[in-house]
Amino acid sequence: GQQLNQSPQSMFIQEGEDVSMNCTSSSIFNTWLWYKQDPGEGPVLLIALYKAGELTSNGRLTAQFGITRKDSFLNISASIPSDVGIYFCAGPVDGTASKLTFGTGTRLQVTL
Amino acid sequence: NAGVTQTPKFQVLKTGQSMTLQCAQDMNHEYMSWYRQDPGMGLRLIHYSVGAGITDQGEVPNGYNVSRSTTEDFPLRLLSAAPSQTSVYFCASKERTEDQPQHFGDGTRLSIL
Repeated sequence: GQQLNQSPQSMFIQEGEDVSMNCTSSSIFNTWLWYKQDPGEGPVLLIALYKAGELTSNGRLTAQFGITRKDSFLNISASIPSDVGIYFCAGPVDGTASKLTFGTGTRLQVTL
Repeated sequence: NAGVTQTPKFQVLKTGQSMTLQCAQDMNHEYMSWYRQDPGMGLRLIHYSVGAGITDQGEVPNGYNVSRSTTEDFPLRLLSAAPSQTSVYFCASKERTEDQPQHFGDGTRLSIL
């Protein structure tokens, strides 16, 4: 099946720093999704990307759909304590929007 | 709006017991899915449904059954619980439209002893 590899697995940063994480796939995706999961809650969609090369922002978050369609990047600028959580990339299985495959997640810790 | 509601939030079972995890959504979404999340792993798809009366298997369907008799509800049944099914289970729903996101519930934490 399709696999998504995320890196890094975890990050410890200071408040105010910028963060970058990425996600790569062994196969082509037509959609890339970035989710955040807070402790004890379900994932919440941050950014959705639908076109190769697309660069989309949501506040301090910016995500890019790689030109090869096999990777995507998420950047967080000027991190704050509430950015703590696990960030997942996801994409549709076999191009079907009703089925998602998820990366293994990047756990972000922000220190004051 | 309640969104996606999962019950119970926590459950402990003994090996061999059966149980149904409930999921309900009030957004009239056609698509619904069940995922499990294990430590150090992303969510993995168990079963999904694209509408009432239609279900299909995901990546890890063994040991689970689903049904979709109404648009609102999508229960997940464990037929004979095994320790390997200890996990956090998430239900999600989505509009049929391609560019609409999946909405997740807050999860059910299930432990099998």
